[in-house]
This record gives sequence, C-alpha cells and structure tokens, in this order.
Amino acid sequence: AQSVTQLGSHVSVSEGALVLLRCNYSSSVPPYLFWYVQYPNQGLQLLLKYTTGATLVKGINGFEAEFKKSETSFHLTKPSAHMSDAAEYFCAVSVWKGFQKLVFGTGTRLLVSP
Amino acid sequence: DAGVIQSPRHEVTEMGQEVTLRCKPISGHNSLFWYRQTMMRGLELLIYFNNNVPIDDSGMPEDRFSAKMPNASFSTLKIQPSEPRDSAVYFCASSLGLAGAGGPTDTQYFGPGTRLTVL
Repeated sequence: AQSVTQLGSHVSVSEGALVLLRCNYSSSVPPYLFWYVQYPNQGLQLLLKYTTGATLVKGINGFEAEFKKSETSFHLTKPSAHMSDAAEYFCAVSVWKGFQKLVFGTGTRLLVSP
Repeated sequence: DAGVIQSPRHEVTEMGQEVTLRCKPISGHNSLFWYRQTMMRGLELLIYFNNNVPIDDSGMPEDRFSAKMPNASFSTLKIQPSEPRDSAVYFCASSLGLAGAGGPTDTQYFGPGTRLTVL
C-alpha cells in the first residue's frame, strides 16, 4: 500500500534559519506527492506537488521539495524561515482508486522563534 | 473565487443529537471530498462524490454517518445520533477533474473546516 512517513512531529527553527521537513514515501509505482500547509484554524493549502519531470519542485512562499527516488524521499525545504511559516505541514501521496485518494502523513508542526 | 465554504465553523452539541455539516464547493469543481481530522487518526477520507454522485464511502465510520450532494453547489454530512468520539475537525475539499473522476495529480482545495465537539 502507498503511504508516507513524516519524521518528527515538531521541528523548531530560528527566524532566518533553514527549514527542513522530512517525508519518505512507500510506493510500488511512481508516486505523485504533495505538500500541504495548515495554518491555525484554517484548512489545508497546497504548497507544491510532484507529478513527473523535474525532480526539484518549487512552491509558494519560497518552499521547494526534491523528489529522490533512490532515497524514497520528498523533503520540504526553505532557505530562510519567517515567523509566518509557523504552521503544520502535511506530506501526502496520491493513490488512484478510480478517483484520487490522498493519503496523508501525520504532520509536522513547524515552530519559528525570533 | 471565495474558495470552499463550510458551515458552521464550530459546533458544540450533546451526545445523541443530530449534527449537520454543510459545504459549498468551488464553482465548476466536479469532485467533492469529506475528511475528518483527529489527533489519533490524522486526516481520513470519509466519502467522495463525483458529479454529485457518491462514488466511495468506504471511509464512513458507521451507519450514523451519512452524506448527500443534492446539487453541484451543496453537500451535507450528517451524524445521527452523535457521540463524543465523533469530536473532530471535518473538512470538505473540492477539485476539478478534467475528465470524469479526474486524475492522480489534481489539486484538492480545502475549506476551513468545522470543529465539532460532542459532549
């Protein structure tokens, strides 16, 4: 079964520091991978997605992720954290069941300190 | 566009009461999803509609849960009777599938959620 694992339920960084949120996937077929962000009391918002082609995917708000097949990873990065990046981040894999079923990881809460 | 709209944003009810959650998808989207988010189980897909027709309800926890989509701009999720373990945040999401049920790379747009507390 296709799934994703997010390492670390909480990640703390200082403002201006590198953000690295980890996601590993398990899939017997080429995966379609997503990163969503959830700000407090809001719904999920798409940051970026990997479909095919370029393995480095750029998203909104300065985030990017690199698909590495050899490592079965799709880690999310941002060179310099901002206070407004504090949120919960979800990695997801798209499973085709005759329709798109997103299977989400358990989420990583990013804390940004001044 | 206003995005996916959900109401109410918060609902507090007593065990045994009927609860109805509402969703208005983005205009023109033909796929609609209901999710539940809890600390224990994370985000789970409850039911999927395509062109107003329920396609997959395998995630609906039990018969107390039901969902309808009477037209392209409105869906409801009903819990009757409600129980404390139903307390969660319920999200509605919609997407545009270019052909039929869409494809595995479609973007799902989420509403702000309804936080349900059953006492």
